[in-house]
Amino acid sequence: DAGVIQSPRHEVTEMGQEVTLRCKPISGHNSLFWYRQTMMRGLELLIYFNNNVPIDDSGMPEDRFSAKMPNASFSTLKIQPSEPRDSAVYFCASSSSGGPLTYEQYFGPGTRLTVT
Amino acid sequence: SQKIEQNSEALNIQEGKTATLTCNYTNYSPAYLQWYRQDPGRGPVFLLLIRENEKEKRKERLKVTFDTTLKQSLFHITASQPADSATYLCALATNTDKLIFGTGTRLQVFP
Repeated sequence: DAGVIQSPRHEVTEMGQEVTLRCKPISGHNSLFWYRQTMMRGLELLIYFNNNVPIDDSGMPEDRFSAKMPNASFSTLKIQPSEPRDSAVYFCASSSSGGPLTYEQYFGPGTRLTVT
Repeated sequence: SQKIEQNSEALNIQEGKTATLTCNYTNYSPAYLQWYRQDPGRGPVFLLLIRENEKEKRKERLKVTFDTTLKQSLFHITASQPADSATYLCALATNTDKLIFGTGTRLQVFP
């Protein structure tokens, strides 16, 4: 298996622009997680899905952030409009449980976002 | 407030020694705890999971302990090697089903 796939790997954009990050989870996994990592705040959970349904989005910073999972093999995280403080590495992870209670999570390589 | 604390300072040890990393938490009642390894420019990689009713878990040169009274987990790497150099993250699963990560401890093993 190719593991969790994220695209793009790097994104540089100007403040105010829309940014879309993409994730393909491991085939057969039914939970998907979006994280953001910064030096200051570490690794933070933004939102997670189970069977394509959003379960907990309380980590989403504000209305500028939205996430979708239209099917079991694809998810997007959108930031509109982007701001310099959104600069971070965004990770997608998947697991084969009904949530993080039972099984380990497999992380993608991350998308490094820079907003100027 | 809820906190997960890992040593923010890097841990430097000599090859062959045992590395011990600490994860302390407050105001959580975790169902279980996980440890991950993260190399620069890469995503975290799962290493071990230990449940609240387990005291110790081993996997090859790795050992994890979990003390719910002290609210602490210890992560040991025996016979450490330079290839073990990385950042190690602990993560708690709470009753809200979220996985909460600590900020990680960077381990440097020198020859």
